[in-house]
Amino acid sequence: DTEVTQTPKHLVMGMTNKKSLKCEQHMGHRAMYWYKQKAKKPPELMFVYSYEKLSINESVPSRFSPECPNSSLLNLHLHALQPEDSALYLCASSHGGTDTQYFGPGTRLTVL
Amino acid sequence: AQSVTQPDIHITVSEGASLELRCNYSYGATPYLFWYVQSPGQGLQLLLKYFSGDTLVQGIKGFEAEFKRSQSSFNLRKPSVHWSDAAEYFCAVGDPVGNEKLTFGTGTRLTIIP
Repeated sequence: DTEVTQTPKHLVMGMTNKKSLKCEQHMGHRAMYWYKQKAKKPPELMFVYSYEKLSINESVPSRFSPECPNSSLLNLHLHALQPEDSALYLCASSHGGTDTQYFGPGTRLTVL
Repeated sequence: AQSVTQPDIHITVSEGASLELRCNYSYGATPYLFWYVQSPGQGLQLLLKYFSGDTLVQGIKGFEAEFKRSQSSFNLRKPSVHWSDAAEYFCAVGDPVGNEKLTFGTGTRLTIIP
């Protein structure tokens, strides 16, 4: 089973809302990733949790906050987002290092 | 720093024709190489990968790719495309030293005409 699940599929939120994106995998992977993808662009890495250690892309604003409750779950907490944050948010998982990353279907986020 | 170039932004191919999508990378040694496909509004699906060994790699959906060290290339091929192959294709490189970052190319959009 190489499935990564993400909920919700679509999310519309206002700039004052607080919401969370969820990601789950049951492949025994110990690394999980959040990517942001704008239209007609490649995915950009936001965060990596690898063996409980968080790595951050320093260009990601603090209104995005990742959380990894356990090795199977990954959340992305959203607060005070801007319209330019509207994008497809992809979760991925792997065994870590440069092992193959498996992607979920994504959450389409629209910020009004 | 590693980088990936996909020279073709958009390619149009007739159904049943052969396909080759180009990917060139820049890296000090041999990187790990991947091809992913993305249908509109969907996540990325792994087509194939190269870590070491045989330089001709077979993937899913009838795709193959050939690693050519001398040309720093990892081109994706399919002998006969189907209408369902219409999608965005991303080449990506990883650092074998263990850096978790994948570097993606800008993608090639494939259109299939009947």
